[in-house]
Amino acid sequence: DGGITQSPKYLFRKEGQNVTLSCEQNLNHDAMYWYRQDPGQGLRLIYYSQIVNDFQKGDIAEGYSVSREKKESFPLTVTSAQKNPTAFYLCASSIWRDIGSYGYTFGSGTRLTVV
Amino acid sequence: AQSVTQPDIHITVSEGASLELRCNYSYGATPYLFWYVQSPGQGLQLLLKYFSGDTLVQGIKGFEAEFKRSQSSFNLRKPSVHWSDAAEYFCAVGPFSNSGYALNFGKGTSLLVTP
Repeated sequence: DGGITQSPKYLFRKEGQNVTLSCEQNLNHDAMYWYRQDPGQGLRLIYYSQIVNDFQKGDIAEGYSVSREKKESFPLTVTSAQKNPTAFYLCASSIWRDIGSYGYTFGSGTRLTVV
Repeated sequence: AQSVTQPDIHITVSEGASLELRCNYSYGATPYLFWYVQSPGQGLQLLLKYFSGDTLVQGIKGFEAEFKRSQSSFNLRKPSVHWSDAAEYFCAVGPFSNSGYALNFGKGTSLLVTP
């Protein structure tokens, strides 16, 4: 079945360490998105990518980096520059410019905790 | 600036009672409107969406939503709530071309269902 897979489900990061969250989709969607979720804050856009080898910063990109080398994959790296990385991270995908018809498909999320 | 507001952070209803979750948006034109549901530690699932046509839309799990242009609202309703409806509910609007056709999410409403 088609869908989005995020891994790992839980991730622990030490201070000063970079970590990478995986997001893979087999829906043949053009666009992929990373959101950060904090209690009471809703979902905030970190990065988005509309096509391979292109991505743009969202509202809270500082301390994060991404790559889009393949249509299916959009990994997110949380760098040591991100001072408060503990959060729930959600990856989503969509048919670009046809979001109204289908909305997003979400992964099941990765919970990142700083230890 | 585009925005979406969910005025109620928490709502408690008794099982079998009716439910209405509020959503208001600020946008120059009528955007696409969505309601998503999130169970604890999970991704988001699309309940329903609206762009044009009949202002009362039906979704999954017995939910419906009504678009009111004059009030810039898109409230979610259910006639009789089940204990399994306890979850976090997010209203979303978009897509917005200045953010890669990303959706803008409200901060969510947490629904508690009592026996």
